[in-house]
Amino acid sequence: GAGVSQTPSNKVTEKGKYVELRCDPISGHTALYWYRQSLGQGPEFLIYFQGTGAADDSGLPNDRFFAVRPEGSVSTLKIQRTERGDSAVYLCASRGQTNTGELFFGEGSRLTVL
Amino acid sequence: DQQVKQNSPSLSVQEGRISILNCDYTNSMFDYFLWYKKYPAEGPTFLISISSIKDKNEDGRFTVFLNKSAKHLSLHIVPSQPGDSAVYFCAASEGGSARQLTFGSGTQLTVLP
Repeated sequence: GAGVSQTPSNKVTEKGKYVELRCDPISGHTALYWYRQSLGQGPEFLIYFQGTGAADDSGLPNDRFFAVRPEGSVSTLKIQRTERGDSAVYLCASRGQTNTGELFFGEGSRLTVL
Repeated sequence: DQQVKQNSPSLSVQEGRISILNCDYTNSMFDYFLWYKKYPAEGPTFLISISSIKDKNEDGRFTVFLNKSAKHLSLHIVPSQPGDSAVYFCAASEGGSARQLTFGSGTQLTVLP
C-alpha cells in the first residue's frame, strides 16, 4: 500500500504477556518513529530510527520496551511483561526526504492489557 | 511537564464561521511547529507547518500564526466546514524539522451545520 501500515490494529493481552507490534513504513522513507497515545492525550514520542539505527530512544518509558528495524524498513516494537498502564494506541510514522517535517502516520495499533 | 499545551479540549463553531485553535509552548528551543488533524480510528494527518523565522503561513482555508515572544501559535480555519470536525493537535520540534515532535493534548473541533 501507499501509506504506513500497522499490524495488528487491535491487540488484547493479559498482564505479564509479551507483545509485538509491527510497522511497515512508506517505501523509501528512511526515518521511522514510534509514538504512544493514551486516552485524551496527544501522541507521546517513544523512539526514532534513521535507517537501521535508533537515533533517539529517549522516549522509551523503561527497559520493558524495545524496538528494532533490522533492514531499515519494517520496524517492530516489543513490549515485555506488559502492564495495564501500557494500554494505549501505538502509532508509527515515517518521513521521507522533505524539509517540511511532515510525518506520515499509520492508523495505529490499539493495545489493551487486561 | 507539558512543553506544548492546548488548553481548550473542545470547540464548537457554526458552519461558515471562523475556527480558531490555540496552542502555547514553553520550550524556547522549539523552532518548527506543525498542526495535525485526526479523525476517529485514523492516524493523525499533517495539515500545515510554520518555521520560527516566519510569523504566518497560509494554505487555502488554513492559516497558522506564530507569536514567538508570547510562545503562542494559533490555527485559523475559514470558512469552517462540517468535514473539518476532528481533533486538532499542535506539535513542535527543536533543531529543525528532522527531530521528533512534541504534541499537545489536542482540541476537538465540532463544526455545526
